[in-house]
Amino acid sequence: EAGVTQFPSHSVIEKGQTVTLRCDPISGHDNLYWYRRVMGKEIKFLLHFVKESKQDESGMPNNRFLAERTGGTYSTLKVQPAELEDSGVYFCASSHGTGVDTQYFGPGTRLTVL
Amino acid sequence: AQKVTQAQTEISVVEKEDVTLDCVYETRDTTYYLFWYKQPPSGELVFLIRRNSFDEQNEISGRYSWNFQKSTSSFNFTITASQVVDSAVYFCALSEKMVGAGNNRKLIWGLGTSLAVNP
Repeated sequence: EAGVTQFPSHSVIEKGQTVTLRCDPISGHDNLYWYRRVMGKEIKFLLHFVKESKQDESGMPNNRFLAERTGGTYSTLKVQPAELEDSGVYFCASSHGTGVDTQYFGPGTRLTVL
Repeated sequence: AQKVTQAQTEISVVEKEDVTLDCVYETRDTTYYLFWYKQPPSGELVFLIRRNSFDEQNEISGRYSWNFQKSTSSFNFTITASQVVDSAVYFCALSEKMVGAGNNRKLIWGLGTSLAVNP
């Protein structure tokens, strides 16, 4: 069974540009989570989908971030326009069902905003 | 507030030494879950263990063991006879209920402990 995949693995963009990160969860996993680690800080929760519905987006930093999960399969996280403080590693995780399922993580996307 | 503290930023040991990674947590939930993840140099977060708050039995898996003590709010991780392949960053995490998400929970993370096992 394939694990969680994320694309790209690394993105370098200029301040003000737009970047879209993609996450493909483990097949059959209804829950999808986005987290972010800024250098020197803890990994922080961004948002959670159940299938195509956003359940909790309390961790999204501001309205420059937009996450979607059309059709309840893969998810995208768009940053527009990117700022310097958006640099970090963005992790995606998925879990199977309800309750406290174990979250399985992808390799992350390292975003560098110059 | 929910919080996870991993006081050890970096640990360096020589192969075959035992090493313990500390994790202390704060929570107001009566039911909660604790996790350990490993992040090898390749970058992915690899799940190691999940423990719920009702189960204080220690867990052993090969050279890995976990000591959960509710009285001290700690969930420490010990690697016995460490190997070079154990070199990684290890994260401790605590579950927290999410807004409008039923029983699903997000993870609250410690800063991680970077373990270097030298030959």
